[in-house]
Amino acid sequence: AQSVTQPDIHITVSEGASLELRCNYSYGATPYLFWYVQSPGQGLQLLLKYFSGDTLVQGIKGFEAEFKRSQSSFNLRKPSVHWSDAAEYFCAVGPLVFGKGTRLSVIA
Amino acid sequence: EAGVVQSPRYKIIEKKQPVAFWCNPISGHNTLYWYRQNLGQGPELLIRYENEEAVDDSQLPKDRFSAERLKGVDSTLKIQPAELGDSAVYLCASSLSAGSETQYFGPGTRLLVL
Repeated sequence: AQSVTQPDIHITVSEGASLELRCNYSYGATPYLFWYVQSPGQGLQLLLKYFSGDTLVQGIKGFEAEFKRSQSSFNLRKPSVHWSDAAEYFCAVGPLVFGKGTRLSVIA
Repeated sequence: EAGVVQSPRYKIIEKKQPVAFWCNPISGHNTLYWYRQNLGQGPELLIRYENEEAVDDSQLPKDRFSAERLKGVDSTLKIQPAELGDSAVYLCASSLSAGSETQYFGPGTRLLVL
């Protein structure tokens, strides 16, 4: 069965600092992987997705993610966080199975 | 292009009452999804439609939940009777087709059952 684990429930970073959100998945074949962002009271917005090919995927808002098959991971990164990045981030596989999310807080 | 539209945005009802949520997907999207998102959790799939056909409803509590997608466009999700544990955000999403296609989410309906 497919499953997604986001080990970090809440992360706080300083504005301008780098960010990495972790995602581990369980899937029998090559997965479709997604990262979504959800701002308070809003629906989910797709940041990026991986289907095949280059394992480093670029997304919107300066985000990128790297697919590592050997580690069953698809971590999300951003080199410099902005205050507007504060939100809930969800990793998904399939695309029907979502992780529980990581809440990102940004401090000045 | 309009996104996924959901109504109402908020609903407060007493337990044992019925409630219905409406979703209008993006034009041309054949696949429609209903998710439930509990506080502090990720979305959980309730039902997926391919055009008019429900192709994945294994997580839908069929004793009290029902859904329909008439003419393969709009969809309605109903709960009758509602229970306290049904308090959650109900998200609708659509995509061109299933599988690898990107899902586009509506803003959700926040349900509070008292």
